[in-house]
Amino acid sequence: AQSVTQLGSHVSVSEGALVLLRCNYSSSVPPYLFWYVQYPNQGLQLLLKYTSAATLVKGINGFEAEFKKSETSFHLTKPSAHMSDAAEYFCAVYPYKLIFGSGTRLLVRP
Amino acid sequence: DAGVTQSPTHLIKTRGQQVTLRCSPKSGHDTVSWYQQALGQGPQFIFQYYEEEERQRGNFPDRFSGHQFPNYSSELNVNALLLGDSALYLCASSNRWSGVSYEQYFGPGTRLTVT
Repeated sequence: AQSVTQLGSHVSVSEGALVLLRCNYSSSVPPYLFWYVQYPNQGLQLLLKYTSAATLVKGINGFEAEFKKSETSFHLTKPSAHMSDAAEYFCAVYPYKLIFGSGTRLLVRP
Repeated sequence: DAGVTQSPTHLIKTRGQQVTLRCSPKSGHDTVSWYQQALGQGPQFIFQYYEEEERQRGNFPDRFSGHQFPNYSSELNVNALLLGDSALYLCASSNRWSGVSYEQYFGPGTRLTVT
């Protein structure tokens, strides 16, 4: 069975600092992996996806993620945080439906 | 090009009542999936519709039912509402034949409050 674990329900960084949001997955088949962002009172927006091509995936708003099969990880990074990055971030794995982690709330301090 | 739309935006119901939520998929999409997102949690898959039939279902009771219309729009019905049904209900659409059927586009959601 597929599952996703996001480490840290809250992450706080200073503006301009590195953002690192952690995601580990469990999958019995080669996974499709996704990161979504959710701003307050809004739906989910796709940030980036891994679909078995390049292991380093670049997404929107300067985010990227690296698929590491040996570590079953798909961590999300951004070199320099911006105030507008404050939101809830969800990692998800796809068999025929999206299975989401519990989310990580990113706080950006001025 | 309109994205996924959902109605209503907010809804308040009383325990025991029934509710219907509506979703129009993104243009060109034929598949609709519904998710429930309780406060502080990730979305949970309810079910998926294509060709006007329920194709996959998550771990939700039969009180949750749906429908898909010939124009691909969809409804989610919840009967005998419980306080625990209070959540944001998200609709996502995709195209089964696009080669990227895993790419789901989400609507803004319907916030259901059960009192």
